[in-house]
Amino acid sequence: EADIYQTPRYLVIGTGKKITLECSQTMGHDKMYWYQQDPGMELHLIHYSYGVNSTEKGDLSSESTVSRIRTEHFPLTLESARPSHTSQYLCASSAVGTVSTDTQYFGPGTRLTVL
Amino acid sequence: SQQGEEDPQALSIQEGENATMNCSYKTSINNLQWYRQNSGRGLVHLILIRSNEREKHSGRLRVTLDTSKKSSSLLITASRAADTASYFCATDAWSGGSNYKLTFGKGTLLTVNP
Repeated sequence: EADIYQTPRYLVIGTGKKITLECSQTMGHDKMYWYQQDPGMELHLIHYSYGVNSTEKGDLSSESTVSRIRTEHFPLTLESARPSHTSQYLCASSAVGTVSTDTQYFGPGTRLTVL
Repeated sequence: SQQGEEDPQALSIQEGENATMNCSYKTSINNLQWYRQNSGRGLVHLILIRSNEREKHSGRLRVTLDTSKKSSSLLITASRAADTASYFCATDAWSGGSNYKLTFGKGTLLTVNP
């Protein structure tokens, strides 16, 4: 079982609300990732970080923002939620790789529904 | 464009049978990974096969990689009801410097009937 945690597990909110999805890991991993996944579909990378104060946008454009102030913590924020943001959000982490990708460890996910 | 694509999209078998899932990709890779996802949960890493390897085993799992055909297969032998899940292949792509990102396919939904 991976030591990576996400809260909340489920969130139902109204349009226009500001939300923050929490992700933390206790493995000391430098790399962290946020993916968005619709039911039955592939994962899309929306943000990633290779260390403290490092954040990059992923392959799928997202209105969310992230921060990486501490190694273990990688929160995702939506300033004004909309129904189109309804999805599952998965956080993952991996150790620093050398020449290729390391195994990623995933949290249980946050299922977000915006009414 | 999508790097990894699994086939079939869904597979239903009886307990005790073998399950084979395939993954095709488009560009050169350093390694290919297989992950499993139970309904509504995060992904769990199953196995990683490097580009210079052709076959790898882990318990009831057997993964093959054919870089000339840009394809991989995952075989689960003697399946159990608990193997019911979605299975994703993931390939790495260079993202700058010495860093790589994973690209996931749409997955194969495996249902093992008791």
